[in-house]
Amino acid sequence: NAGVTQTPKFRVLKTGQSMTLLCAQDMNHEYMYWYRQDPGMGLRLIHYSVGEGTTAKGEVPDGYNVSRLKKQNFLLGLESAAPSQTSVYFCASSYRGYNEQFFGPGTRLTVL
Amino acid sequence: AQRVTQPEKLLSVFKGAPVELKCNYSYSGSPELFWYVQYSRQRLQLLLRHISRESIKGFTADLNKGETSFHLKKPFAQEEDSAMYYCALRPTSGTYKYIFGTGTRLKVLA
Repeated sequence: NAGVTQTPKFRVLKTGQSMTLLCAQDMNHEYMYWYRQDPGMGLRLIHYSVGEGTTAKGEVPDGYNVSRLKKQNFLLGLESAAPSQTSVYFCASSYRGYNEQFFGPGTRLTVL
Repeated sequence: AQRVTQPEKLLSVFKGAPVELKCNYSYSGSPELFWYVQYSRQRLQLLLRHISRESIKGFTADLNKGETSFHLKKPFAQEEDSAMYYCALRPTSGTYKYIFGTGTRLKVLA
């Protein structure tokens, strides 16, 4: 099992460009999460999903959109990237909301 | 407001010395508390959770509701314990919004 995978691993964008980060899990987990990790801020929840076709806002959702069309995939979109979105993005999944979260390797995004 | 505080950004100890990574939380109900660890070039992974009451890699953590703390302890640090440690809280009020602390980097010196 690959566990949780993230694509791409690195990306550099110019301000105003758009992109989509892909998270995939092969553990048949119901719950999936997107976090961002910034120095001195820890991990902050952007959006999460409690099942296929559902999404919900986390702590810092502004500037991001998500979709969960398939149970195994959770996409994070940036419609118009801003330098403030320079961060490391982590995806995680869990079987249920109260179970252990399994994390992906992260995506390092730089917005110039 | 729900919050997790890890007051130390960096903690350096010598090999064989005791380790205590501090975690304090703010939550009005009964939370579920976790410690996650990220070793160099590895993924963030669960170390332990308070409801399990188990010792993992020699680490233990006790939930102290009176002091609202969940400190991580190990009696004798090893070099392989060097990593980034995050304390996390999951409110038990029906939400699945985990709240992470800012993390503490533990360096175990030879």
